[in-house]
Parts: sequence; structure tokens; C-alpha cells
Amino acid sequence: DTAVSQTPKYLVTQMGNDKSIKCEQNLGHDTMYWYKQDSKKFLKIMFSYNNKELIINETVPNRFSPKSPDKAHLNLHINSLELGDSAVYFCASSQFGGHYNSPLHFGNGTRLTVT
Amino acid sequence: TQLLEQSPQFLSIQEGENLTVYCNSSSVFSSLQWYRQEPGEGPVLLVTVVTGGEVKKLKRLTFQFGDARKDSSLHITAAQPGDTGLYLCAGGVAGTASKLTFGTGTRLQVTL
Repeated sequence: DTAVSQTPKYLVTQMGNDKSIKCEQNLGHDTMYWYKQDSKKFLKIMFSYNNKELIINETVPNRFSPKSPDKAHLNLHINSLELGDSAVYFCASSQFGGHYNSPLHFGNGTRLTVT
Repeated sequence: TQLLEQSPQFLSIQEGENLTVYCNSSSVFSSLQWYRQEPGEGPVLLVTVVTGGEVKKLKRLTFQFGDARKDSSLHITAAQPGDTGLYLCAGGVAGTASKLTFGTGTRLQVTL
């Protein structure tokens, strides 16, 4: 059973389009995250939800909107896609949100390519 | 802004060699995690260290947290091709809502 699964694996779209990435975890964790990994492999947090409540919102353009319908799901919707949005987006979860040493469990990423 | 610089950025070695990867910061962290990421997959946790000076071993991998909790190192003994991957350190600070700061990454390639 996949612990953190995200879909789609690959997403190729044109500038200006709107797209969504879905994430689900079956670990029973309270906290979920979206991370962005750029072409240099640098991993940066975008958002974090704890029990459906937004707790971390880094400096991310308003075109990115996360939604957590329940604590097992966290989706990411992106409006008006730009070339600079091309990256790999990772969903992750952890058991104890707010604990600085909580290990993250990552999905396998969604490679977004904007043309 | 907390930054974690890893060195080297790239490392290509032959099977059987030893290597050390460094993770340095000017900031103090409450904990330091190490992850390994393989192509097409997400990072996977290797270890967490929380005490200054702490040393943890995972088979041929030895992790150390600096005494001042500003740096960490990963030493691999007798590297194998299966060790190939991107190694990421990540620092956590108590009271920052579980936000981890990831390092710049070290790409390791071990050849036969």
C-alpha cells in the first residue's frame, strides 16, 4: 500500500491554464504539506495543513491555492500557470504537526511542465 | 532566513571508497534530519539527530550533529552503488510549526 500518493505523476500544460494536483495519505497523520523542488533540487515548503487547518503559508503567489477536505487529503490548485511554475511538487505528511523533529513521509512527486 | 549549505554539491566515487557529506548553517537547529532521494521518487528519511554531539549509525552510514547544533555530517564507509542518490539535510526549530528547512543537497554517484 502506498503511504502518500499523489496524482498525476506528470503534468504538461500551457501557460495560462489552471491545473490541480491531488494528494492522499493513509498513514493516519495529522499534518500534510506541499513542497516545491526546483531544477537545482532545492526543496522548499509551500503550505502545511494540520487537521484541515492551514498552519504554514510561505510566500507563494495567490495563484496557488491548497485545499484540505479532510486530514487524509490535501490538493493543490494552480491558476494561470506560468513558465516559472515548472518544477516537481511533492506532497508529504507527518504524524505530529508542530513537532520540529517529526519525520516527513513524501509522495513520489508531480513533475509539472509549463510550455 | 535560515540556510543550510551542503558540500560537496556533487560527488562521484568508486565502490568501496569512503566519503563525508557536510551540512552547515549559521543558525542553531533543534533537530537535524537526513533524507535520501532517488530519481523519480520522494525523499526518504534516514535519521534524525536532536542532541548536540549526537552520533547515530545506520549500517555503513554514520551521522553526527555538531556540538553547537549548527552543522551535521554524514559519513559513508565502503560506498556501494545502492548508495547513489541525492542526500538532503533538513533542520527543524522548536516552535516553528514543524517547518523544516532543507539543505542545498549533495548528489552522490557510486560506480563499480
